[in-house]
Amino acid sequence: GENVEQHPSTLSVQEGDSAVIKCTYSDSASNYFPWYKQELGKRPQLIIDIRSNVGEKKDQRIAVTLNKTAKHFSLHITETQPEDSAVYFCAASNANSGYSTLTFGKGTMLLVSP
Amino acid sequence: SAVISQKPSRDICQRGTSLTIQCQVDSQVTMMFWYRQQPGQSLTLIATANQGSEATYESGFVIDKFPISRPNLTFSTLTVSNMSPEDSSIYLCSVRGGFGDTGELFFGEGSRLTVL
Repeated sequence: GENVEQHPSTLSVQEGDSAVIKCTYSDSASNYFPWYKQELGKRPQLIIDIRSNVGEKKDQRIAVTLNKTAKHFSLHITETQPEDSAVYFCAASNANSGYSTLTFGKGTMLLVSP
Repeated sequence: SAVISQKPSRDICQRGTSLTIQCQVDSQVTMMFWYRQQPGQSLTLIATANQGSEATYESGFVIDKFPISRPNLTFSTLTVSNMSPEDSSIYLCSVRGGFGDTGELFFGEGSRLTVL
């Protein structure tokens, strides 16, 4: 089955700095890679996702890059703000299968200090 | 999008008892997923519930411990049986959006169980 590794486990930055979180996956058939943000005591929510037919996707201050050859993908947050503080999870799945479950990484706790 | 309601939102349970968590979705979906999130940990899939058939369990999870019902396309229950303190976790119901259930995964608010 799929195995997703995520680094770092914790990340502290100053407000305005950039933050990068990296994930690797094991199943070359995986083709859908979402990122979820979970604030303390809240449910995980999708912030951005990428499919394997593109190498990069941006949405305002966040971007995701994908390297299918190396089987890794990264989340980039620019101009970080205190409200970006949360746990971020990467995930992978094969969206073409009729049974498309997500495998999650272990999460990265991002702390943005004012 | 999908709106998912779970209850209870939290409960404190005694060792050896069982608790059933309910999940209601505002639209019909083929598959409903049950995840466990242990304190400070990631999301681990327990099982996938299909309407009209037995749930499919992931490695390490068995039906006797986590029986699941899926009576219709908008509702599912997960029971945590014969609980021990190791079962203290947040249990999350989720569904996939999009055509063919291949889109975004939406989560309920979760049910936080504490087993004493």
